[in-house]
Amino acid sequence: AQTVTQSQPEMSVQEAETVTLSCTYDTSESDYYLFWYKQPPSRQMILVIRQEAYKQQNATENRFSVNFQKAAKSFSLKISDSQLGDAAMYFCAYRRNAGGTSYGKLTFGQGTILTVHP
Amino acid sequence: GAVVSQHPSWVICKSGTSVKIECRSLDFQATTMFWYRQFPKQSLMLMATSNEGSKATYEQGVEKDKFLINHASLTLSTLTVTSAHPEDSSFYICSALRTSGGLTTDTQYFGPGTRLTVL
Repeated sequence: AQTVTQSQPEMSVQEAETVTLSCTYDTSESDYYLFWYKQPPSRQMILVIRQEAYKQQNATENRFSVNFQKAAKSFSLKISDSQLGDAAMYFCAYRRNAGGTSYGKLTFGQGTILTVHP
Repeated sequence: GAVVSQHPSWVICKSGTSVKIECRSLDFQATTMFWYRQFPKQSLMLMATSNEGSKATYEQGVEKDKFLINHASLTLSTLTVTSAHPEDSSFYICSALRTSGGLTTDTQYFGPGTRLTVL
């Protein structure tokens, strides 16, 4: 079974600074997808960024970028120029690329609470 | 982006009663929906995968008879908590899988969640 581990329960950053959230995963699959979701105090889950395992290039979305190390099974999220609105709980998630009755199923990490200080 | 709604957003009920939570994909059809449970400051725990027109697939340890899932249409899935008890109090989140004919861009979109309190 796949597992996703976020070893940082809490992180903090000063506004305008950069912060990196860590995520490691364990899988025997070679074809899969990785995601970072954000859950602000409203508790609405928001997709931040996604990475296809077959792509070597790291995904970027504006101020958000990932460092995907497939061999090390590591998938960290870097937030640049942090803003107060970035404060949230961040979840790393894994999805295998396969069909069946559980197609699309996500495995989540434990989450990291990010605090942004003004 | 794709929109998924949940109703109600919060509900308080007495112990022993049943509660139904609706999950709707508003601007796309979803063959597959998922139901999660989340405790404060914890991760999402997948309860079951709901497939339109077929029986839901429950995760290990989730009671099928207690958490009834019905996915009667491509835009609606419901979760019914039967004979609710205080330990069922939690935050329930649904998601809908938006497919585009290619695995690469298939994405789960989440509802805003339902807070259930059982007295």
